[in-house]
Amino acid sequence: QVQLVESGGGVVQTGRSLRLSCAASGFTFSSYAMHWVRQVPGRGLEWVAVTSYDGNDQYYADSVKGRFTISRDNSKNTLFLQLDSLRGDDTAVYFCARDLGAVAGIPGYFQHWGQGTLVAVSS
Amino acid sequence: SYVLTQPPSVSVAPGQTARIACGGNNLGGKNVHWYQQRPGQAPVLVVHDGGDRPSGIPERFSGSTSGDTTTLIITRVEAGDEADYYCQVWDRSTGHPNWVFGGGTKLTVL
Repeated sequence: QVQLVESGGGVVQTGRSLRLSCAASGFTFSSYAMHWVRQVPGRGLEWVAVTSYDGNDQYYADSVKGRFTISRDNSKNTLFLQLDSLRGDDTAVYFCARDLGAVAGIPGYFQHWGQGTLVAVSS
Repeated sequence: SYVLTQPPSVSVAPGQTARIACGGNNLGGKNVHWYQQRPGQAPVLVVHDGGDRPSGIPERFSGSTSGDTTTLIITRVEAGDEADYYCQVWDRSTGHPNWVFGGGTKLTVL
């Protein structure tokens, strides 16, 4: 079965960096676009970033563009999110999610989700 | 940016039908997807493309669209259906792809 396991979250000071990972198993990782979605505790869901199946295309939410970088290592079935210049409003649970298909910039939805990893940005 | 509007809460008695609305400009021209999120858990896709169910999702979950509003319909509601529900669409009105969520609706089973 599809399994997505996030790691790398923690407490970090404002302005610092963090790298999240998402280990995938149970499917052909290199055939699917992958996303990061975040959720402030007690609040709603916010899409963050997507990468295409081969890592050649990426798109970002305006709120993180220029600060976050999504990438993947298909040889290791792992998705990454580099979080730089962190701010207080980046505090959230970060979920990785598998797309319906392989291409990043077309209509789709989130077929499978990980359990999330909490990032807390403190001043 | 594109906005999806959901009621904050819906309450229903066990065995009754719950209807959770999601509204947006020209929503009828978009494919709408629905996620269930139980407390402390990750979201789960329950309906995609307006009314299709992934494997493993009970037939009690369905969707309908009328004009600029799409509705998640849960028949014969059970205690285990108590959760937050989010609608989602893909949008490009800002010039780049964006996956947009509604604010979420908390379903309470009385």
